[in-house]
Amino acid sequence: EAGVAQSPRYKIIEKRQSVAFWCNPISGHATLYWYQQILGQGPKLLIQFQNNGVVDDSQLPKDRFSAERLKGVDSTLKIQPAKLEDSAVYLCASSLDQGFGYGYTFGSGTRLTVV
Amino acid sequence: ILNVEQSPQSLHVQEGDSTNFTCSFPSSNFYALHWYRWETAKSPEALFVMTLNGDEKKKGRISATLNTKEGYSYLYIKGSQPEDSATYLCALPPPNQAGTALIFGKGTTLSVSS
Repeated sequence: EAGVAQSPRYKIIEKRQSVAFWCNPISGHATLYWYQQILGQGPKLLIQFQNNGVVDDSQLPKDRFSAERLKGVDSTLKIQPAKLEDSAVYLCASSLDQGFGYGYTFGSGTRLTVV
Repeated sequence: ILNVEQSPQSLHVQEGDSTNFTCSFPSSNFYALHWYRWETAKSPEALFVMTLNGDEKKKGRISATLNTKEGYSYLYIKGSQPEDSATYLCALPPPNQAGTALIFGKGTTLSVSS
């Protein structure tokens, strides 16, 4: 079974620039998550999709972050404009469904550095 | 907001040592607890999903126990090896919303030297 694909692996941008991350989940997984992990902290949910609908985006800074999941498969996360505090690892994960017993399969993450 | 506490924040052991660390959480409205292992430059990997009080799970040299009445889970590693070096994350769903996204602790970073 292919894993969760993410790209790019690393990205360095200047503040106020824009950046986009891409995620392709495991085939058949209905639920897709984007997490932000800042150094020294645990992963924090940014947005959760169920198929192509948003379940939870309460912690997504909507003035600068946006995300979409077209046709309930691939997803992109965009930051525009980036701030220094956005430097983090961005993890995409998918699960078969959104129940509490379903484990997540994670991608390898994108390490973003904003300078 | 659910508070998931992990301790210690980091530890360093010698190859062959056994070790354990703790995940603490509020004991009310418990649904499930997940453990993940995250090696540097790799994807976080699911270790265990635990749902019942008294659950014990084992995967090779790694095992975990769960006490939902007192709100903690222990992760044990027997005979640590350098390849066990990783950050171990504990996560739970929000207590009143079992179907929504996991909330993660800060993790315990284990370093095993040979």
